[in-house]
Amino acid sequence: AQSVTQPDIHITVSEGASLELRCNYSYGATPYLFWYVQSPGQGLQLLLKYFSGDTLVQGIKGFEAEFKRSQSSFNLRKPSVHWSDAAEYFCAVAKWAGTALIFGKGTTLSVSS
Amino acid sequence: EAQVTQNPRYLITVTGKKLTVTCSQNMNHEYMSWYRQDPGLGLRQIYYSMNVEVTDKGDVPEGYKVSRKEKRNFPLILESPSPNQTSLYFCASSPEQGTYEQYFGPGTRLTVT
Repeated sequence: AQSVTQPDIHITVSEGASLELRCNYSYGATPYLFWYVQSPGQGLQLLLKYFSGDTLVQGIKGFEAEFKRSQSSFNLRKPSVHWSDAAEYFCAVAKWAGTALIFGKGTTLSVSS
Repeated sequence: EAQVTQNPRYLITVTGKKLTVTCSQNMNHEYMSWYRQDPGLGLRQIYYSMNVEVTDKGDVPEGYKVSRKEKRNFPLILESPSPNQTSLYFCASSPEQGTYEQYFGPGTRLTVT
């Protein structure tokens, strides 16, 4: 069955430091992968997506993610974190035929000054 | 502005009192879906609809009903709410099945006492 694992429940990063959030997926074919961000009290905003092609994808707000098929991973990165990046981040994989997104349980990012 | 709207945003109700959470999108999207978000569980799909009059169960449909009489609207109905349905609910839409990318509403926080 398809699944997504986000191993880190909570991460704290200093402002200006780099960030990497981990995501591992289980899927039999080429996955369609997403990262969403949820700021406190807000809905989910799409940061970036991978469908095919270049395995390094760029998103909004300076985020990028790298698809590694051999590791079944789609880790999210940002070179320099800002206090406004504090939020909950969800990795997701699309079910076959796009009937649903399967989400990981999320990683909460705190940013310290 | 292209968006998915939900009403109400917050709702406190009592066990057994029927309620409806409305969802509307102005993007002429064919696909719509409902998810619930619970701490430590991420988002799980309740129901989805691939077009008018076409709906199907997601992973956690028990206790919920939906209808899709118009393309833009996809209400979620709880005919006899119970405390275990206390959750944060999100409506999402997508241009068509197979597009994979979903756009989310702002969420409805429901408390059932």
